[in-house]
Amino acid sequence: QKEVEQDPGPLSVPEGAIVSLNCTYSNSAFQYFMWYRQYSRKGPELLMYTYSSGNKEDGRFTAQVDKSSKYISLFIRDSQPSDSATYLCAMRNQAGTALIFGKGTTLSVSS
Amino acid sequence: GAVVSQHPSWVICKSGTSVKIECRSLDFQATTMFWYRQFPKQSLMLMATSNEGSKATYEQGVEKDKFLINHASLTLSTLTVTSAHPEDSSFYICSARPGTSEGEQFFGPGTRLTVL
Repeated sequence: QKEVEQDPGPLSVPEGAIVSLNCTYSNSAFQYFMWYRQYSRKGPELLMYTYSSGNKEDGRFTAQVDKSSKYISLFIRDSQPSDSATYLCAMRNQAGTALIFGKGTTLSVSS
Repeated sequence: GAVVSQHPSWVICKSGTSVKIECRSLDFQATTMFWYRQFPKQSLMLMATSNEGSKATYEQGVEKDKFLINHASLTLSTLTVTSAHPEDSSFYICSARPGTSEGEQFFGPGTRLTVL
């Protein structure tokens, strides 16, 4: 089993839809959880950063971490065509260690 | 804030030559920088972790003599691909962690290397 599992999609939704993206992981020591957005041929852009369990909201984006289930989610409300990108979850266990990435989910929002 | 730049953004070279890629943190000091490689439609694969003033730590399977990493200052790390071959063609991305941060990493825009 890989440390981080993420469905690669592709996921296609109409404009205005609520999008749910998620990752599961196996290492219970992970404490830092991130979501990155990557446009084609660009570097990943940090969207959300969460430490330990709980929810975090930033504009149209909400990140949730459920450590008991080893499951993290990213919700996008009122999705826009500009949200079309690949979304990568990433996580790590303590300061100084490298991020472990999911494979990324490709999202397409049609107008 | 938290901007990371890479140079060049795209490079084409002949097989057997060496290519240097620079990664700079523009508005913060980065004690730790990371180098990743990404093949088309694949996720990022960590190549090495670079700490300022010390030798880089390479991931299993990454040849340290082929991918030379230098982290000479708190704002600059370089990756040199020596004796490049077509199979080294990939998208190379660096990231940097601010010295005061425990979690966040900020990525550069990536460098596309094509070896002919």
